[in-house]
Amino acid sequence: GEDVEQSLFLSVREGDSSVINCTYTDSSSTYLYWYKQEPGAGLQLLTYIFSNMDMKQDQRLTVLLNKKDKHLSLRIADTQTGDSAIYFCAERGNTGFQKLVFGTGTRLLVSP
Amino acid sequence: DTEVTQTPKHLVMGMTNKKSLKCEQHMGHRAMYWYKQKAKKPPELMFVYSYEKLSINESVPSRFSPECPNSSLLNLHLHALQPEDSALYLCASSQDGMNTEAFFGQGTRLTVV
Repeated sequence: GEDVEQSLFLSVREGDSSVINCTYTDSSSTYLYWYKQEPGAGLQLLTYIFSNMDMKQDQRLTVLLNKKDKHLSLRIADTQTGDSAIYFCAERGNTGFQKLVFGTGTRLLVSP
Repeated sequence: DTEVTQTPKHLVMGMTNKKSLKCEQHMGHRAMYWYKQKAKKPPELMFVYSYEKLSINESVPSRFSPECPNSSLLNLHLHALQPEDSALYLCASSQDGMNTEAFFGQGTRLTVV
C-alpha cells in the first residue's frame, strides 16, 4: 500500500522560515505535490516536483526531494500569518491521472 | 481562469433523501475527479472521469453515483447515505490524465442526518 506521513503540527514566528516534512513509500511516484488548505476551504496547489529532480524553487517556496530516503520537504521563507493553514504533500504514482495519495497533513501556525 | 466551481457549498440531507453535488470547470480540462475528505483527514480519491468516461472507481459504495454529462460538468448523485458519509466532497480537474497539475474546487460540505 501507499503511506504518506507528515508531522501533525508546526508553530513558527512571523518572518521565520518554516520547513514541513513528508515521507512516502511508493518508489514509483512520478510527481510529488504540496497543497495548502485553509479552514473550511478546498485545496490550493502550491508547487510540485518531478521525481528526477532534487530541488525546485518558486518564490518563497523551496522543495527538496531525497528519492533515496523517500523524503520530501517544503521550505517557506519569510513565513507570514497568512501562511497559517494545513499543508498536504501528495504523491502521484505511475498509473496516470491525478490519482493522488495525500499525506496526513501538517497544521502550520504562524504567530505575530 | 483556473477555477473549479462546486455547488452547493453546504448541504444537509436526511438518510432517505436524494441529492446531487455539482462541479463545473471551463478550462477545457478532460479529466475530472471526486475526492472525499473526512474531518481532520486527508482527501481520498473516489472517482476519475477521462473524456467523459468513468476510468477509476475506488470501490465506492453504489449510494454514490457519479455522472459526467459533458466535458465541463461532473455530478455526484447521492441516495440513501449514512451519517458516516458526512464529509467535504472535493472536485478536481486536470488537462488530461497525464497532465502534471490538478485544480481543486472549494468543496461541498455534506452533513447526513
